[in-house]
Amino acid sequence: SQQGEEDPQALSIQEGENATMNCSYKTSINNLQWYRQNSGRGLVHLILIRSNEREKHSGRLRVTLDTSKKSSSLLITASRAADTASYFCATDNNNDMRFGAGTRLTVKP
Amino acid sequence: DTAVSQTPKYLVTQMGNDKSIKCEQNLGHDTMYWYKQDSKKFLKIMFSYNNKELIINETVPNRFSPKSPDKAHLNLHINSLELGDSAVYFCASSSRTTTGTGELFFGEGSRLTVL
Repeated sequence: SQQGEEDPQALSIQEGENATMNCSYKTSINNLQWYRQNSGRGLVHLILIRSNEREKHSGRLRVTLDTSKKSSSLLITASRAADTASYFCATDNNNDMRFGAGTRLTVKP
Repeated sequence: DTAVSQTPKYLVTQMGNDKSIKCEQNLGHDTMYWYKQDSKKFLKIMFSYNNKELIINETVPNRFSPKSPDKAHLNLHINSLELGDSAVYFCASSSRTTTGTGELFFGEGSRLTVL
Protein backbone atom coordinates (compact mmCIF):
# COMPACT_ATOMS: atom_id res chain seq x y z
CA SER A 1 0.00 0.00 0.00
CA GLN A 2 1.10 3.58 -0.50
CA GLN A 3 2.65 5.24 2.49
CA GLY A 4 2.88 8.87 1.53
CA GLU A 5 0.57 11.21 -0.21
CA GLU A 6 1.86 14.28 -1.95
CA ASP A 7 -0.05 17.39 -2.70
CA PRO A 8 -0.64 19.01 -4.97
CA GLN A 9 -0.81 16.30 -7.59
CA ALA A 10 0.29 18.84 -10.18
CA LEU A 11 1.84 22.27 -9.93
CA SER A 12 2.53 24.75 -12.72
CA ILE A 13 4.62 27.86 -12.09
CA GLN A 14 6.72 30.44 -13.92
CA GLU A 15 10.49 30.32 -13.98
CA GLY A 16 11.91 32.19 -11.00
CA GLU A 17 8.99 31.40 -8.71
CA ASN A 18 9.22 29.07 -5.74
CA ALA A 19 7.58 25.64 -5.74
CA THR A 20 6.31 23.95 -2.59
CA MET A 21 5.27 20.32 -2.44
CA ASN A 22 3.87 18.55 0.59
CA CYS A 23 3.97 14.96 1.73
CA SER A 24 1.97 13.21 4.45
CA TYR A 25 2.62 9.72 5.74
CA LYS A 26 1.10 7.25 8.18
CA THR A 27 3.67 5.23 10.09
CA SER A 28 6.72 6.00 12.22
CA ILE A 29 9.85 6.60 10.17
CA ASN A 30 13.64 6.46 10.40
CA ASN A 31 14.03 9.07 7.71
CA LEU A 32 12.19 10.68 4.82
CA GLN A 33 13.67 11.18 1.39
CA TRP A 34 12.73 13.19 -1.66
CA TYR A 35 13.32 12.02 -5.21
CA ARG A 36 12.97 13.49 -8.66
CA GLN A 37 11.90 11.65 -11.81
CA ASN A 38 12.28 13.05 -15.29
CA SER A 39 9.91 11.65 -17.87
CA GLY A 40 10.90 8.16 -18.94
CA ARG A 41 13.79 7.94 -16.49
CA GLY A 42 14.58 6.39 -13.13
CA LEU A 43 14.23 8.25 -9.86
CA VAL A 44 17.12 10.32 -8.58
CA HIS A 45 17.70 11.04 -4.90
CA LEU A 46 17.56 14.69 -3.89
CA ILE A 47 17.74 14.93 -0.13
CA LEU A 48 17.34 12.86 3.04
CA ILE A 49 16.07 14.17 6.36
CA ARG A 50 16.31 12.09 9.52
CA SER A 51 13.43 11.69 11.93
CA ASN A 52 15.22 13.82 14.54
CA GLU A 53 15.82 16.69 12.11
CA ARG A 54 13.34 19.45 11.39
CA GLU A 55 14.87 21.23 8.42
CA LYS A 56 17.54 20.59 5.84
CA HIS A 57 18.96 22.55 2.92
CA SER A 58 20.74 21.53 -0.23
CA GLY A 59 21.36 24.21 -2.82
CA ARG A 60 17.96 25.55 -3.90
CA LEU A 61 16.16 22.80 -2.00
CA ARG A 62 14.72 23.16 1.48
CA VAL A 63 13.04 20.27 3.23
CA THR A 64 11.09 20.38 6.47
CA LEU A 65 9.85 17.50 8.58
CA ASP A 66 7.15 17.55 11.25
CA THR A 67 6.95 14.10 12.81
CA SER A 68 4.08 15.13 15.10
CA LYS A 69 1.95 15.87 12.03
CA LYS A 70 3.60 13.13 9.96
CA SER A 71 4.28 15.57 7.17
CA SER A 72 7.14 17.00 5.14
CA SER A 73 7.52 19.73 2.58
CA LEU A 74 9.95 20.31 -0.26
CA LEU A 75 10.60 23.86 -1.35
CA ILE A 76 12.44 24.59 -4.58
CA THR A 77 13.49 28.23 -4.76
CA ALA A 78 14.08 30.28 -7.90
CA SER A 79 12.75 27.49 -10.10
CA ARG A 80 14.11 26.83 -13.58
CA ALA A 81 12.56 25.17 -16.61
CA ALA A 82 14.97 22.28 -16.00
CA ASP A 83 13.25 21.60 -12.66
CA THR A 84 10.24 20.29 -14.59
CA ALA A 85 9.80 16.72 -13.36
CA SER A 86 7.82 14.58 -10.94
CA TYR A 87 8.82 14.74 -7.29
CA PHE A 88 8.24 11.91 -4.82
CA CYS A 89 8.64 11.59 -1.10
CA ALA A 90 9.66 8.25 0.36
CA THR A 91 9.57 7.09 3.95
CA ASP A 92 11.94 4.62 5.53
CA ASN A 93 10.45 2.36 8.17
CA ASN A 94 13.10 -0.24 9.04
CA ASN A 95 14.33 -0.74 5.49
CA ASP A 96 10.81 -0.62 4.08
CA MET A 97 10.97 2.27 1.61
CA ARG A 98 7.55 3.45 0.44
CA PHE A 99 6.77 6.21 -1.98
CA GLY A 100 4.00 8.72 -2.28
CA ALA A 101 1.99 9.34 -5.43
CA GLY A 102 4.19 12.24 -6.53
CA THR A 103 3.74 15.85 -7.59
CA ARG A 104 4.11 16.72 -11.23
CA LEU A 105 5.91 20.09 -11.42
CA THR A 106 5.93 22.14 -14.60
CA VAL A 107 8.12 25.25 -14.72
CA LYS A 108 7.31 27.50 -17.65
CA PRO A 109 10.16 29.53 -19.18
CA ASP B 1 29.88 2.45 -15.34
CA THR B 2 26.16 2.39 -14.68
CA ALA B 3 25.47 2.01 -10.95
CA VAL B 4 22.20 0.09 -11.26
CA SER B 5 21.50 -1.52 -14.58
CA GLN B 6 18.43 -3.45 -15.56
CA THR B 7 17.63 -5.31 -18.75
CA PRO B 8 15.73 -5.31 -20.93
CA LYS B 9 14.66 -1.66 -21.14
CA TYR B 10 11.60 -2.55 -23.20
CA LEU B 11 9.67 -5.80 -23.25
CA VAL B 12 6.59 -6.47 -25.39
CA THR B 13 4.99 -9.86 -25.02
CA GLN B 14 1.75 -11.79 -25.28
CA MET B 15 -0.56 -12.70 -22.42
CA GLY B 16 0.31 -16.02 -20.85
CA ASN B 17 4.02 -15.82 -21.59
CA ASP B 18 6.78 -15.98 -18.97
CA LYS B 19 9.44 -13.26 -18.87
CA SER B 20 12.37 -12.15 -16.74
CA ILE B 21 13.92 -8.80 -15.94
CA LYS B 22 17.47 -8.70 -14.68
CA CYS B 23 19.07 -6.17 -12.34
CA GLU B 24 22.66 -5.66 -11.29
CA GLN B 25 24.27 -3.06 -9.05
CA ASN B 26 27.98 -2.30 -8.74
CA LEU B 27 27.72 -0.04 -5.71
CA GLY B 28 28.41 -2.65 -3.07
CA HIS B 29 24.98 -2.13 -1.53
CA ASP B 30 23.44 -4.78 0.68
CA THR B 31 19.77 -4.13 -0.14
CA MET B 32 17.95 -4.33 -3.44
CA TYR B 33 14.34 -3.62 -4.39
CA TRP B 34 11.79 -4.08 -7.11
CA TYR B 35 9.14 -1.40 -7.60
CA LYS B 36 6.23 -1.27 -10.03
CA GLN B 37 5.17 2.07 -11.49
CA ASP B 38 1.76 2.10 -13.10
CA SER B 39 0.33 4.46 -15.70
CA LYS B 40 -0.69 6.93 -12.98
CA LYS B 41 2.93 7.04 -11.79
CA PHE B 42 2.21 5.33 -8.46
CA LEU B 43 5.40 3.63 -7.33
CA LYS B 44 4.62 0.46 -5.41
CA ILE B 45 7.17 -1.68 -3.63
CA MET B 46 7.07 -5.34 -4.61
CA PHE B 47 10.09 -6.98 -3.01
CA SER B 48 13.16 -6.12 -1.01
CA TYR B 49 16.23 -8.25 -0.42
CA ASN B 50 18.95 -7.67 2.13
CA ASN B 51 22.13 -9.70 1.71
CA LYS B 52 20.30 -12.13 -0.58
CA GLU B 53 17.48 -12.68 1.90
CA LEU B 54 13.90 -11.65 1.22
CA ILE B 55 12.80 -9.05 3.75
CA ILE B 56 9.80 -7.47 2.09
CA ASN B 57 7.28 -9.39 0.07
CA GLU B 58 4.32 -7.19 -0.67
CA THR B 59 0.97 -8.55 -1.67
CA VAL B 60 1.82 -9.38 -5.24
CA PRO B 61 0.57 -12.40 -7.18
CA ASN B 62 2.77 -15.44 -6.76
CA ARG B 63 3.28 -15.32 -10.52
CA PHE B 64 6.03 -12.85 -9.60
CA SER B 65 9.13 -14.51 -8.24
CA PRO B 66 12.29 -12.62 -7.33
CA LYS B 67 15.65 -14.32 -7.25
CA SER B 68 18.84 -12.99 -5.74
CA PRO B 69 21.83 -15.14 -6.69
CA ASP B 70 24.18 -12.77 -4.89
CA LYS B 71 24.14 -9.34 -3.25
CA ALA B 72 24.75 -7.56 -6.54
CA HIS B 73 21.89 -9.14 -8.49
CA LEU B 74 18.13 -9.25 -8.09
CA ASN B 75 16.12 -10.69 -10.95
CA LEU B 76 12.36 -10.70 -11.39
CA HIS B 77 10.59 -13.56 -13.12
CA ILE B 78 6.95 -13.25 -14.09
CA ASN B 79 4.85 -16.26 -15.07
CA SER B 80 1.63 -16.30 -17.05
CA LEU B 81 1.69 -12.60 -17.86
CA GLU B 82 -1.58 -10.68 -17.69
CA LEU B 83 -2.67 -7.38 -19.22
CA GLY B 84 -2.57 -5.74 -15.78
CA ASP B 85 1.12 -6.51 -15.47
CA SER B 86 1.87 -3.81 -18.03
CA ALA B 87 3.90 -1.18 -16.19
CA VAL B 88 7.41 0.11 -15.71
CA TYR B 89 9.42 -1.99 -13.28
CA PHE B 90 12.25 -0.33 -11.41
CA CYS B 91 15.13 -1.95 -9.63
CA ALA B 92 16.90 -0.02 -6.88
CA SER B 93 19.63 -0.57 -4.34
CA SER B 94 20.71 1.03 -1.09
CA SER B 95 22.84 0.55 1.99
CA ARG B 96 21.71 0.48 5.56
CA THR B 97 23.11 3.17 7.79
CA THR B 98 22.97 3.69 11.54
CA THR B 99 19.96 5.93 11.04
CA GLY B 100 18.02 3.83 8.57
CA THR B 101 18.04 3.22 4.85
CA GLY B 102 20.36 5.39 2.82
CA GLU B 103 19.49 6.88 -0.52
CA LEU B 104 18.15 4.56 -3.16
CA PHE B 105 19.85 4.32 -6.52
CA PHE B 106 17.44 3.42 -9.29
CA GLY B 107 17.87 1.73 -12.60
CA GLU B 108 16.36 3.31 -15.71
CA GLY B 109 13.34 1.05 -15.62
CA SER B 110 12.00 -1.80 -17.73
CA ARG B 111 8.80 -1.01 -19.57
CA LEU B 112 6.69 -4.15 -19.87
CA THR B 113 3.78 -4.20 -22.31
CA VAL B 114 1.51 -7.21 -22.30
CA LEU B 115 -0.68 -7.59 -25.40
